[in-house]
Amino acid sequence: KNEVEQSPQNLTAQEGEFITINCSYSVGISALHWLQQHPGGGIVSLFMLSSGKKKHGRLIATINIQEKHSSLHITASHPRDSAVYICAVLFGYNNNDMRFGAGTRLTVKP
Amino acid sequence: EAQVTQNPRYLITVTGKKLTVTCSQNMNHEYMSWYRQDPGLGLRQIYYSMNVEVTDKGDVPEGYKVSRKEKRNFPLILESPSPNQTSLYFCASSRLNTGELFFGEGSRLTVL
Repeated sequence: KNEVEQSPQNLTAQEGEFITINCSYSVGISALHWLQQHPGGGIVSLFMLSSGKKKHGRLIATINIQEKHSSLHITASHPRDSAVYICAVLFGYNNNDMRFGAGTRLTVKP
Repeated sequence: EAQVTQNPRYLITVTGKKLTVTCSQNMNHEYMSWYRQDPGLGLRQIYYSMNVEVTDKGDVPEGYKVSRKEKRNFPLILESPSPNQTSLYFCASSRLNTGELFFGEGSRLTVL
């Protein structure tokens, strides 16, 4: 069974700290998404990656295809970054079977 | 404004009473998909569609049906809802299968 593992499950940080959330998967993928879910429940797509690195503001996402691993970094974290971060992968290259990590609950304290 | 609209947002129903959750997007996206989110189980894909008249099963399709007669709409049908289908449902769309995902606001369904 395809698996997606995220770590840590929970993360508490002080405002300004550098945050790293990790995602590992078991087999080859065609793409990986990082999603953000706020306490109100809405889900927003942060990044879609198939290789390399992407940056948007204080957020950076990287993926290493050979190691089957992706990281989401938040620089200079802020209380408004408090949310659940979820990685989602598309397994295989000819299907659209999407599997999700369990999510990382981030709390940033002022 | 680019958006994915789900209806209803909240629904309480009873076992066996057929219901449909609608999903509509205004971005001309080819790819649409349904997910459910449950405590302890996270998000799981129910069905997805690559384009009109093309649908396929996701991780947990049992008890659900979908149709894609028009590009903008992708309704989720529960023919005979059961309490284990009580969940928070999300619809999403993107350009094909590897573009940015746009999510609806979610539909909280309770089956008594």
